[in-house]
Amino acid sequence: GNSVTQMEGPVTLSEEAFLTINCTYTATGYPSLFWYVQYPGEGLQLLLKATKADDKGSNKGFEATYRKETTSFHLEKGSVQVSDSAVYFCALSTGANNLFFGTGTRLTVIP
Amino acid sequence: DSGVTQTPKHLITATGQRVTLRCSPRSGDLSVYWYQQSLDQGLQFLIQYYNGEERAKGNILERFSAQQFPDLHSELNLSSLELGDSALYFCASRPGTGYTGELFFGEGSRLTVL
Repeated sequence: GNSVTQMEGPVTLSEEAFLTINCTYTATGYPSLFWYVQYPGEGLQLLLKATKADDKGSNKGFEATYRKETTSFHLEKGSVQVSDSAVYFCALSTGANNLFFGTGTRLTVIP
Repeated sequence: DSGVTQTPKHLITATGQRVTLRCSPRSGDLSVYWYQQSLDQGLQFLIQYYNGEERAKGNILERFSAQQFPDLHSELNLSSLELGDSALYFCASRPGTGYTGELFFGEGSRLTVL
C-alpha cells in the first residue's frame, strides 16, 4: 500500500540553525512527492514538490530531493527563521485519487 | 489564496446537533477532498468526489456524509455530533483525472462541539 512516515516532532531550533525533517515513503508505482506547510491558524499550503526520481524541489530556502533508492524525501533548510515556525507535512500521490499524508512535524524556531 | 473557499470559518454547536460545511473548489477543478484535523493529530482523509460521484472513502464515520453538486461545490454533513468531532475540517480540490499534482486547500472550517 501507500504510506508516508514522517519524523516525529515537535522540533525546536534556534534561529539560523540547520533544519532536517525526515520523510520516507512506501508506494506502488512512481509517486509524486510533496511538502506542505501549515502556519498557525491557516490551511495547508504547498511548499515544494518533486515528480520523479532525483528531482529536487525548492522554495523559500527549503529543499527536498526525491531519492528512489532510499524511498526518501527529506526536507532541509540551511538557516531557519522564526517565521518558519509551522507544521510541515510530507505527502505522496500515485494517481488522481487521494494524497497520502504523514502525521506532520511541528517546528518552533526561537530567536 | 488557493482559490478554494470554505464556509463557515468557525462553528460552535452542541452535542447531538447537525451541521453542514460547504466547499467551493477552484474554478474548473472536478475533484474535491475532505479531511479532518483533530488537535495534535495529522490529517485524516474522509472522502473524495469527482464530478459529482464518490471516488474514494477514508475514515469517515457513518454519522458523516458528503455530496458534490452539479456546480461542483461540495457539502459535508455531520450529524449526531459528539465532543470528539471538534476539529478543523479541510476541503481541497484538484483538476481531476490525469492530474497527479498537488491538492489545493481551503482555509478550513473549525467546528467546536460543546
